[in-house]
Amino acid sequence: GEDVEQSLFLSVREGDSSVINCTYTDSSSTYLYWYKQEPGAGLQLLTYIFSNMDMKQDQRLTVLLNKKDKHLSLRIADTQTGDSAIYFCAERLSGYSTLTFGKGTMLLVSP
Amino acid sequence: SQTIHQWPATLVQPVGSPLSLECTVEGTSNPNLYWYRQAAGRGLQLLFYSVGIGQISSEVPQNLSASRPQDRQFILSSKKLLLSDSGFYLCAWSAYRGLNEQYFGPGTRLTVT
Repeated sequence: GEDVEQSLFLSVREGDSSVINCTYTDSSSTYLYWYKQEPGAGLQLLTYIFSNMDMKQDQRLTVLLNKKDKHLSLRIADTQTGDSAIYFCAERLSGYSTLTFGKGTMLLVSP
Repeated sequence: SQTIHQWPATLVQPVGSPLSLECTVEGTSNPNLYWYRQAAGRGLQLLFYSVGIGQISSEVPQNLSASRPQDRQFILSSKKLLLSDSGFYLCAWSAYRGLNEQYFGPGTRLTVT
């Protein structure tokens, strides 16, 4: 079956690093995604990683994938107050055109 | 560049009234289209998706329906709204091929009273 789980809440101070974790259950996942949702807005695609990669870095964002443990993480370096939002991870299974989303992690960045 | 539009942005409707939410995509052809609902618990629930005109797949049984009358137009409808239909409705598109990353519209906030 397919299930994506995330912790619901993370609080950090401005300037610190944030690490948002996600676990998934289906080993046939081909792509994994991170989305950001600000209050009252749609989801914004932040980054993605292929299932045959271990790491992807894009400016302040680092995605780590441990396929053996089915664990995905998003690290935000030098977190800013503007990073406060809900972050969703999502997986795409091989042969499917739909994504399965986690329930989202609310990141609160305090000054 | 591609853009996705949704309207209306907000809607307040009484129980039992009909619903029509519209989503249009510009700048791409033959997109996959999706309707999601996000309730108070924040999770995203996939309602419908479409890989072509007139082709609709329903993920969750409910009193909602979807239609795709044109390549880049996706409509979410209901004949009679329930209180439980309240939520934030998001439309998304993805390319016909490739990574299948989805791009979301700004959403419609629906309150059923």
